[in-house]
Amino acid sequence: GQSLEQPSEVTAVEGAIVQINCTYQTSGFYGLSWYQQHDGGAPTFLSYNALDGLEETGRFSSFLSRSDSYGYLLLQELQMKDSASYFCAALNSGGYQKVTFGTGTKLQVIP
Amino acid sequence: GAGVSQSPRYKVTKRGQDVALRCDPISGHVSLYWYRQALGQGPEFLTYFNYEAQQDKSGLPNDRFSAERPEGSISTLTIQRTEQRDSAMYRCASSLLPGTDTQYFGPGTRLTVL
Repeated sequence: GQSLEQPSEVTAVEGAIVQINCTYQTSGFYGLSWYQQHDGGAPTFLSYNALDGLEETGRFSSFLSRSDSYGYLLLQELQMKDSASYFCAALNSGGYQKVTFGTGTKLQVIP
Repeated sequence: GAGVSQSPRYKVTKRGQDVALRCDPISGHVSLYWYRQALGQGPEFLTYFNYEAQQDKSGLPNDRFSAERPEGSISTLTIQRTEQRDSAMYRCASSLLPGTDTQYFGPGTRLTVL
């Protein structure tokens, strides 16, 4: 089977930096995506790593280490609007498009 | 611009009834995905299409669930003889090309089976 584990909840202060970790056990791993979902909303794409290393997109960065089956999402200069759930999602290789989502991390940003 | 749309947004039905959930993907998107999402959980894969071809249906819970995309655009997820355990948010997503990293999700259909 496939599984992606994330911390269930994280609390951080406005303006700070927070890291959300994701460890995975999948077969045929191709890459790792991150999605943000506000309460009552749809998941929206944030970032994607196909290769090891850091990908930066504005205040958000994502990191992948295939050897450690580990990735993280880094959010900088936290804003209140960043309070949401964050999901990592594993893409499978060989054009196989079944995407497995992680358990999700609920981020609460406090003043 | 038009994103992914789903209808109905809310559906309440009685146990044993059939329901059909519709997804209209972003125009030109080749791939279309169906997920089910329980409250507080991540989306759970059900099935996906490239054009009109259903590529994988391994996530469909049982044979009461089926999906089609006959013309490679709009898709319908059908649940026959609904049961209370089918109550969930059903989400559709589309991506421009097969295997691309970005999926665009629709607003979902909240299904409640009484």
